[in-house]
Amino acid sequence: DAGVIQSPRHEVTEMGQEVTLRCKPISGHNSLFWYRQTMMRGLELLIYFNNNVPIDDSGMPEDRFSAKMPNASFSTLKIQPSEPRDSAVYFCASSYYSGGPSYEQYFGPGTRLTVT
Amino acid sequence: GQQVMQIPQYQHVQEGEDFTTYCNSSTTLSNIQWYKQRPGGHPVFLIQLVKSGEVKKQKRLTFQFGEAKKNSSLHITATQTTDVGTYFCASQQGGSEKLVFGKGTKLTVNP
Repeated sequence: DAGVIQSPRHEVTEMGQEVTLRCKPISGHNSLFWYRQTMMRGLELLIYFNNNVPIDDSGMPEDRFSAKMPNASFSTLKIQPSEPRDSAVYFCASSYYSGGPSYEQYFGPGTRLTVT
Repeated sequence: GQQVMQIPQYQHVQEGEDFTTYCNSSTTLSNIQWYKQRPGGHPVFLIQLVKSGEVKKQKRLTFQFGEAKKNSSLHITATQTTDVGTYFCASQQGGSEKLVFGKGTKLTVNP
């Protein structure tokens, strides 16, 4: 298995530009998570999906952030317009969940976003 | 919402010394997971503890879950340079599969 795949690995963009981050979860997993990691705030959950349906988006910073999961093998996180404070590493993770205790989450390699 | 506090934030040891990181909560945790993130890498799952008082071992790593299920610890015996990284605990929030991560303990090992 290739694991969770994220693209791009690095993104440098100017303030005001639209940024789209992509994630392919592990085949067979039914939950997908988007995290943001910064030195100041640590690892924060932005949004997660179960069976392609957004379950909790309470961590999404503001309306500039949006996420979609059109099918079980693909998700996007979009920032429009981007701001310098969005600079961070964005991780996608997937797991299989069937109720009860959480299962381990498998993280992708992350996208390092720099907004100038 | 539920939070987990991790201490210490940083730990620097000489190779061969032991290391312990602690995870504490003011509320009862249903379970706790531990992850390791190498510098420049991504979090990797180590273990999950579910039962009160549970102790699990992975080679030089010992994981404990408190009797009251409000705290957990990760102990590394005789650290090696390969142990360098940040160790996170994470707890399941409410009845969902959402995990809340601690801020992590960054371990550096001097050879």
